[in-house]
Amino acid sequence: QSVLTQPPSASGPPGQRVTISCSGSSSNIGTKTVNWYQQLPGTAPKLLIYSDNQRPSGVPDRFSSSRSGTSASLAISGLQSEDEADYYCAAWDDNLNGPVFGGGTKLTVL
Amino acid sequence: QVQLVESGGGLVKPGGSLRLSCAASGFSFSDYYMIWIRQAPGKGLEWVSYISSYGTTMYDADSVRGRFTVSRDNAENSLYLQMDSLRVEDTAVYYCAREPMYDFWSGHFDSWGRGTLVTVSS
Repeated sequence: QSVLTQPPSASGPPGQRVTISCSGSSSNIGTKTVNWYQQLPGTAPKLLIYSDNQRPSGVPDRFSSSRSGTSASLAISGLQSEDEADYYCAAWDDNLNGPVFGGGTKLTVL
Repeated sequence: QVQLVESGGGLVKPGGSLRLSCAASGFSFSDYYMIWIRQAPGKGLEWVSYISSYGTTMYDADSVRGRFTVSRDNAENSLYLQMDSLRVEDTAVYYCAREPMYDFWSGHFDSWGRGTLVTVSS
């Protein structure tokens, strides 16, 4: 059971916009910034978003995120087939003294 | 360019030990906190052990505390994970990742290795 809660799956046709939610608590998302990772099949996770809404160099601006209260969400606009991957949210947890992850959301581009 | 390369994984019996290594290159290793994160087959990500830039502070997940020990050698640009009393449920791909010191203890891991597979089975 993951500390952060994500839907197990999401989907949309090419060109569509899809959002993935991430729910936590006051000990993590409620007081800490959120990061998002993309894991393409058979590869290591890659940083997608950090500090709630910052994109590392090379990440397209089709990816955006926000945080409010104890929840966060990742939005992907203009879906492309190469966006098919697992997406994980992560944040520091003050109670556990470590980072916590969501269970992951498998994105399918229809 | 930034590289993190894990090694040391393999097949081990329950109760056995393994030592994982992570060789870092292409950046100033001592400027980064480092972490081990694992992923069991078909499952999500789970943090294992965390170490500050000079090794003065370490945190371990409850699931491995007392069995795993994280360490680093900044002179050798290397991160280690000593895993003792291994259990079947420790079977996973183990990744090392780095966290920028300016954003430490945040879950912001900006570079990951490819991982090394640890299989615990009799």
